[in-house]
Amino acid sequence: GENVEQHPSTLSVQEGDSAVIKCTYSDSASNYFPWYKQELGKRPQLIIDIRSNVGEKKDQRIAVTLNKTAKHFSLHITETQPEDSAVYFCAASGGSNYKLTFGKGTLLTVNP
Amino acid sequence: GAVVSQHPSWVICKSGTSVKIECRSLDFQATTMFWYRQFPKQSLMLMATSNEGSKATYEQGVEKDKFLINHASLTLSTLTVTSAHPEDSSFYICTLLGGAREQYFGPGTRLTVT
Repeated sequence: GENVEQHPSTLSVQEGDSAVIKCTYSDSASNYFPWYKQELGKRPQLIIDIRSNVGEKKDQRIAVTLNKTAKHFSLHITETQPEDSAVYFCAASGGSNYKLTFGKGTLLTVNP
Repeated sequence: GAVVSQHPSWVICKSGTSVKIECRSLDFQATTMFWYRQFPKQSLMLMATSNEGSKATYEQGVEKDKFLINHASLTLSTLTVTSAHPEDSSFYICTLLGGAREQYFGPGTRLTVT
């Protein structure tokens, strides 16, 4: 089955700096890669996703890149703000069952 | 996107009792729903895939006789934790599969077994 590795597990940045979180996946059939932000006690919220026919996608301060050959994808947050502090999860999905396999998460702390 | 509700949002039960969690799709015909479990400070782990009108498909290591899933309609899937024990205490989240393979998350149910 699919295996998703996520790094780093914790990330601390100063407000205004950029943050990068990286994930690798194992199943070459995976073709959908969402990123979620989860605040304490709440459900994960989709912040951006990318499909295998695209190499990069951007939405304001958030961008995701995908390298299918190397089987890795990354989340980039620019101009970080304290409210960006949360746990971020990457995930991968592919094949006919559409189920998501999640990375272990990254605790991002943005210091004011 | 689709709106998903879960009930209850939190529940405390005694060890050995059963608890039923409902997951409803309010505005989307949910042919496929997923049930995840999240322990504190851990990631989401898929428990099972729930297909309307058929038996759920359980992930390896998830006891199907302990975690009963029923998906009898396009708007409702239920998860029953039978003979709950303290180690079943967790955050249970359902999702429904959208048309473009995105998943819409319910708000989650926090189960505490005493």
